[in-house]
Amino acid sequence: GAGVSQSPRYKVAKRGQDVALRCDPISGHVSLFWYQQALGQGPEFLTYFQNEAQLDKSGLPSDRFFAERPEGSVSTLKIQRTQQEDSAVYLCASSLARLGEKLFFGSGTQLSVL
Amino acid sequence: GNSVTQMEGPVTLSEEAFLTINCTYTATGYPSLFWYVQYPGEGLQLLLKATKADDKGSNKGFEATYRKETTSFHLEKGSVQVSDSAVYFCALSALGGYQKVTFGIGTKLQVIP
Repeated sequence: GAGVSQSPRYKVAKRGQDVALRCDPISGHVSLFWYQQALGQGPEFLTYFQNEAQLDKSGLPSDRFFAERPEGSVSTLKIQRTQQEDSAVYLCASSLARLGEKLFFGSGTQLSVL
Repeated sequence: GNSVTQMEGPVTLSEEAFLTINCTYTATGYPSLFWYVQYPGEGLQLLLKATKADDKGSNKGFEATYRKETTSFHLEKGSVQVSDSAVYFCALSALGGYQKVTFGIGTKLQVIP
């Protein structure tokens, strides 16, 4: 597609449920990032992939968060046993792996944990 | 670690007023600097960028100059329009193995007719 696609657009989960958020980056983009954006805040880094390799997961807030990109294109962010504090917009971004290159963002998945 | 500090909003201006949104950064080495914008109901998109000291990024009438001596990247526009109402994020990406982008908190701008 022409841009970064994320699904679902909205997700409501009961506390304790597992959720899976999908990101389809721009074709050919080597780098893929996941960010978490709480209401009224800037995006906070979660994790980074270069092709299929997860090179940085330092921003994942707990071991309930897991991300994968098995074939170097589509990525999935999974959150196990969701908690209310996980409620946020989850943003996916992709880019060419070049210095100073901009990020292309998807519209995000708004997760609400009740 | 790397960080970005930008003025908190909301900022409310009348149409055709001058805009400045302050941004300062802390980073090792010489990062690339960005302003991203988020219009209501839309995703984040790049507004402008600068990759080295004294570079000026510009787009849609907005400008920002990379000031290494003051570690700043202030966003300016001479005459704002109602359509500029959005949230503006200052960001940096550090040199290293890959380009991890760190964002500021965002400044909401509301322009009234």
